[in-house]
Amino acid sequence: QLQLQESGPGLVKPSETLSLTCTVSGGSISSSSSYWGWIRQSPGKGLEWIGSIYYAGATYYNPALKSRVTISVDTSQSQFSLKVSSVTAADTAVYYCARIPHDYSIGMDVWGQGTTVTVSS
Amino acid sequence: DIQMTQSPSSLSASVGDRVTITCRASQSISNFLHWYQQRPGKAPKLLISAASSLQSGVPSRFSGSGSGTYFTLTIISLQPEDFATYYCQQSYGSVYTFGQGTKLEIK
Repeated sequence: QLQLQESGPGLVKPSETLSLTCTVSGGSISSSSSYWGWIRQSPGKGLEWIGSIYYAGATYYNPALKSRVTISVDTSQSQFSLKVSSVTAADTAVYYCARIPHDYSIGMDVWGQGTTVTVSS
Repeated sequence: DIQMTQSPSSLSASVGDRVTITCRASQSISNFLHWYQQRPGKAPKLLISAASSLQSGVPSRFSGSGSGTYFTLTIISLQPEDFATYYCQQSYGSVYTFGQGTKLEIK
């Protein structure tokens, strides 16, 4: 069955760029029925949708983060990636990748296990 | 952005009880409302889509209802594994937003 796995550094220095990758297995990242999204969870702000990408490259971002966020996809590697620039302590969170069905009437139905990112010098 | 407000924030109940969690949207979202269960240290798990459609494999003791701005998640005959945090989420607006969560604890 479809599985997602996040990877990347667990510690990032303030003002630097956070970079994470999500590897998709057990299914096709090029599925026309899927978007691929990033969500984060921090004690202070709960669950926050960061943005999503379609396999063909179309991206959708949360306006609250849009100026600092880039999501990209590499279909040859079955991966999509997140970059958050100029991080501060407020970006400390558990970051999840998830499948978001193209059908908006269906919720985020497959999640990675999550990876903890701490912003600290 | 559409704001999602859950109540209560926490709830104590016993095994076998029936509980209801509510979720209100700041504007009408039709039925583009989903419910998740999150256990400590785990990712959220989708329980219900489109306000009332149970995901495959989710026990029938879970049910959802509502439309517009008011939604409920009901769990009948609580089981030990149901004690977790529950979130609602809307997919109507261009920015997906979640409720703040309801922590269901054992009394």
